[in-house]
Amino acid sequence: NAGVTQTPKFQVLKTGQSMTLQCAQDMNHEYMSWYRQDPGMGLRLIHYSVGAGITDQGEVPNGYNVSRSTTEDFPLRLLSAAPSQTSVYFCASSTTSNTEAFFGQGTRLTVV
Amino acid sequence: GDSVTQMEGPVTLSEEAFLTINCTYTATGYPSLFWYVQYPGEGLQLLLKATKADDKGSNKGFEATYRKETTSFHLEKGSVQVSDSAVYFCAFVIQGAQKLVFGQGTRLTINP
Repeated sequence: NAGVTQTPKFQVLKTGQSMTLQCAQDMNHEYMSWYRQDPGMGLRLIHYSVGAGITDQGEVPNGYNVSRSTTEDFPLRLLSAAPSQTSVYFCASSTTSNTEAFFGQGTRLTVV
Repeated sequence: GDSVTQMEGPVTLSEEAFLTINCTYTATGYPSLFWYVQYPGEGLQLLLKATKADDKGSNKGFEATYRKETTSFHLEKGSVQVSDSAVYFCAFVIQGAQKLVFGQGTRLTINP
């Protein structure tokens, strides 16, 4: 049972480049979310989805887009990368927003 | 607003020492409380949880009690091991809300 799978694990981008962080879960969870982890700030919610076809903004959505075409997949897109987006990104899934969240291993992104 | 305040780290202890990591929260509704642990190079995983006042969560020798009167959820372990070295996050979710609220994390290092 793979759980939550994120790819890639590491990425270096130049300012202005675009890329997609992939997230897939095999637990049939309805709720999926993306967080960024920055030193001394814990994890902050970027975007979330309560089911296929439904997405919404978290507390730090600027510069990021998401879509949820299937229950399994929840990709995060950076349209034009900025150095302020250098961070570690975690995807999580859960049965609902109130239950235990399962996290992927993270993507360490550096924007130069 | 909603927030979590955790004991500042890093915390360094010797093996078999007693551990306490303090956590207090400010929540606009009735929260479920969690402790997550992040081992080096990995994503977060649930350590323990408590969903109502006076509940005690426990796992792997760690315990935390939901104290509504003091809005606290302190993490304790009677005898730590080198393998407990990790970053620990206190978090909560409010019924009907769509996000986990995290503390900033406490890095714990256990020396042999």
